[in-house]
Amino acid sequence: GQNIDQPTEMTATEGAIVQINCTYQTSGFNGLFWYQQHAGEAPTFLSYNVLDGLEEKGRFSSFLSRSKGYSYLLLKELQMKDSASYLCAALDSNYQLIWGAGTKLIIKP
Amino acid sequence: GAVVSQHPSRVICKSGTSVKIECRSLDFQATTMFWYRQFPKQSLMLMATSNEGSKATYEQGVEKDKFLINHASLTLSTLTVTSAHPEDSSFYICSARSSTSGDIYEQYFGPGTRLTVT
Repeated sequence: GQNIDQPTEMTATEGAIVQINCTYQTSGFNGLFWYQQHAGEAPTFLSYNVLDGLEEKGRFSSFLSRSKGYSYLLLKELQMKDSASYLCAALDSNYQLIWGAGTKLIIKP
Repeated sequence: GAVVSQHPSRVICKSGTSVKIECRSLDFQATTMFWYRQFPKQSLMLMATSNEGSKATYEQGVEKDKFLINHASLTLSTLTVTSAHPEDSSFYICSARSSTSGDIYEQYFGPGTRLTVT
């Protein structure tokens, strides 16, 4: 079966760095997405990785290891507005997104 | 950037009535649109995938006669919740995938519709 695993909840301090991990098992693989979702709102796109390695975009970076079925989202210089759920989603062989349950990130002052 | 709108943003209806939710891609053509449902503190659950001009493909456990989907054009898809019941109360989100070649198959999300059935 297809499966995405990510931690349910994480807590970090404002100004610090946090890494949210995601492991996936899918039938075929065409890339991995990270989305941010604030409570009561729709998800917004953060990143897309299809090749191994690290993609940096401002304070956010995303890493992929296809051989390990593993990705992480790295958030630097955390701000209170970064408190949200972070969704990992893998694109399978049919180009359908397989969603993780999301990681709720709580930022404390 | 690609923008997807949904209407209405919030709707309250009485049990037994039907509700229609519209999803529009404003500045791009969407060959495929997706309908999701999200209950509080849970992740997105894909309900169905619709391609323009053809019947929607429903996920297992989703009643196609209850959740009617029409993807009549490359910019509009509608979801009608028929004979709504309180357990249908949820956050419904649509997303659209661009038909542009070379696209990374990213889905662009609408802002969601909060449905409350009383």
